[in-house]
Amino acid sequence: QKEVEQDPGPLSVPEGAIVSLNCTYSNSAFQYFMWYRQYSRKGPELLMYTYSSGNKEDGRFTAQVDKSSKYISLFIRDSQPSDSATYLCAMSALDSNYQLIWGAGTKLIIKP
Amino acid sequence: EAGVAQSPRYKIIEKRQSVAFWCNPISGHATLYWYQQILGQGPKLLIQFQNNGVVDDSQLPKDRFSAERLKGVDSTLKIQPAKLEDSAVYLCASSFFTTNEKLFFGSGTQLSVL
Repeated sequence: QKEVEQDPGPLSVPEGAIVSLNCTYSNSAFQYFMWYRQYSRKGPELLMYTYSSGNKEDGRFTAQVDKSSKYISLFIRDSQPSDSATYLCAMSALDSNYQLIWGAGTKLIIKP
Repeated sequence: EAGVAQSPRYKIIEKRQSVAFWCNPISGHATLYWYQQILGQGPKLLIQFQNNGVVDDSQLPKDRFSAERLKGVDSTLKIQPAKLEDSAVYLCASSFFTTNEKLFFGSGTQLSVL
């Protein structure tokens, strides 16, 4: 079993829909949770960064962490074709020297 | 602010040949990372530098891969000899922080080994 599981997709939704992307993890020591967006032929770009549990909102993006369920989510409101990309979750813990553990990424397609 | 620069963008070599990748991080970023990303997978850390020193190279295949960071700024990653399974995108990233927060990635080098 991988430490971080992420559905590879692709997830295809119409423009304007609310998108929900998720990761599950097995290590309860994870404290820092990140979402990166990766466009084709580009490097990942940090979207959201969350410490411990709770929600964090930035424009159309909301990151949610549920440590009791070992589950994190990224919500995208009013999705746009420009949101089409691969979304990678990553997480880290103090006791492993903050080494990032990555999900495999979910490919998202927003249809105009 | 200039981003992380990498070169070349693409490289095609035959197996058993050698190849080198170059990275220039964002100015002032002490931490530099080399990642390998195979299609359909998340990035895999090969090596992490803090200034000139190596913080983590536990997943670097040291029999064929080597990396150095000159004067705590630019870095090169070398593969010698290359194998078919080395075909991947090699990503360089840098961070101001030592706790792996907020990594900034370059566009990567797409390596094809034939």
